[in-house]
Amino acid sequence: QVQLVQSGAEVKKPGASVKVSCKASGYSFTHYGIHWVRQAPGQRLEWMGSINTGNGYTAYSQKFQGRVIVTMDTSASTAYMELSSLRSEDTAVYYCLRDPSGSPFDWFDPWGQGTLVTVSS
Amino acid sequence: EIVLTQSPATLSLSPGERATLSCRASQSVSSHLAWYQQKPGQAPRLLIYDTSNRATGIPARFSGSGSGTDFTLTISSLEPEDFAVYYCQQCDRPVTFGPGTKVDIK
Repeated sequence: QVQLVQSGAEVKKPGASVKVSCKASGYSFTHYGIHWVRQAPGQRLEWMGSINTGNGYTAYSQKFQGRVIVTMDTSASTAYMELSSLRSEDTAVYYCLRDPSGSPFDWFDPWGQGTLVTVSS
Repeated sequence: EIVLTQSPATLSLSPGERATLSCRASQSVSSHLAWYQQKPGQAPRLLIYDTSNRATGIPARFSGSGSGTDFTLTISSLEPEDFAVYYCQQCDRPVTFGPGTKVDIK
């Protein structure tokens, strides 16, 4: 079945970077885009960025522009999200999501299991 | 950026009752709206896309309707496993999510 499996929980100090991986299985990786969304305590789900796995084109939320980089390794069917200059407000669960819409209008299925990133001194 | 509001924040119902959840967009999103269900400790799960299309494996008791700025998710008869938080998401880039409606047991 279609599945996204993310890397494990991370604890980072303020100012550090974190890189979360998302391994896809059960479908052709390059056929569907991968997006990243985070869920901070008490906050809305927040879109961070995406990668077109067919051509490598990336798009980022203005809020995270300059701090987030989304990459991929097609040979490993894996996408990555790296967030730098971490601060306590970045403590959240980070999700990768597949976009099966095939259109400029994105909806997501499935979601990875989530990766908790804790930023604390 | 399109802002979504959801109402009510919490809906307290009994199994077997009908649940009606509302999502309103700050500007028209046409029919480009999705709904997700999230249970504690789990990732959200797609229920509905393009306003009214059920995702694979989603029971027929879940239905979506609306257009433009006003949308509704209806659960015709609540099952015990339906008590969860429900989020709407507008699909125009950059996508945004509503704050969620918690459906809990009365």
